[in-house]
Amino acid sequence: TQLLEQSPQFLSIQEGENLTVYCNSSSVFSSLQWYRQEPGEGPVLLVTVVTGGEVKKLKRLTFQFGDARKDSSLHITAAQPGDTGLYLCAGNAGNMLTFGGGTRLMVKP
Amino acid sequence: SAVISQKPSRDICQRGTSLTIQCQVDSQVTMMFWYRQQPGQSLTLIATANQGSEATYESGFVIDKFPISRPNLTFSTLTVSNMSPEDSSIYLCSVVLGGEQYFGPGTRLTVT
Repeated sequence: TQLLEQSPQFLSIQEGENLTVYCNSSSVFSSLQWYRQEPGEGPVLLVTVVTGGEVKKLKRLTFQFGDARKDSSLHITAAQPGDTGLYLCAGNAGNMLTFGGGTRLMVKP
Repeated sequence: SAVISQKPSRDICQRGTSLTIQCQVDSQVTMMFWYRQQPGQSLTLIATANQGSEATYESGFVIDKFPISRPNLTFSTLTVSNMSPEDSSIYLCSVVLGGEQYFGPGTRLTVT
């Protein structure tokens, strides 16, 4: 069984602060996906990282895939209340996603 | 990307009854997945449904409890049978398209 550990589980910050969410595994993944889920909705795909060492930016969000393709991070700059939600990482190994436990982020105005 | 719809969006059901959840995709896809998300938790894969074959269930999930149909490449159903309060959860269908996985909006099930 491939496990993905996400940290922190919960994060409550003030608007304007920066934060980083980590996703770690002992297994290698062919790709890794980050999702954001709001209450009452399904997860929405934010980004897919494929290459070891890859960095992708999506406005204030920066995603990094570890060199060994076992870990990833999501960094949010100047967080806004609209960033509030559940962030999920998911590693892809052979057409099957393994999900991390999720990070519940609350950004207070 | 894929657009996925689910019906119903939510339901409140009595213990011992069954509920069938429908999932419709706007593209033809080979594999469809059914997940469960318990309150405040991450996603757990229930089964993978391929058109024209039996669904493949993950450990802890059995066909008698969660029968799945996959009549064509754009549609699937998941039935939650003989429900108990422990089945209260969000049920999500998902597809892989272009190497990326997309999710429906989920069905929020409450069993009383």
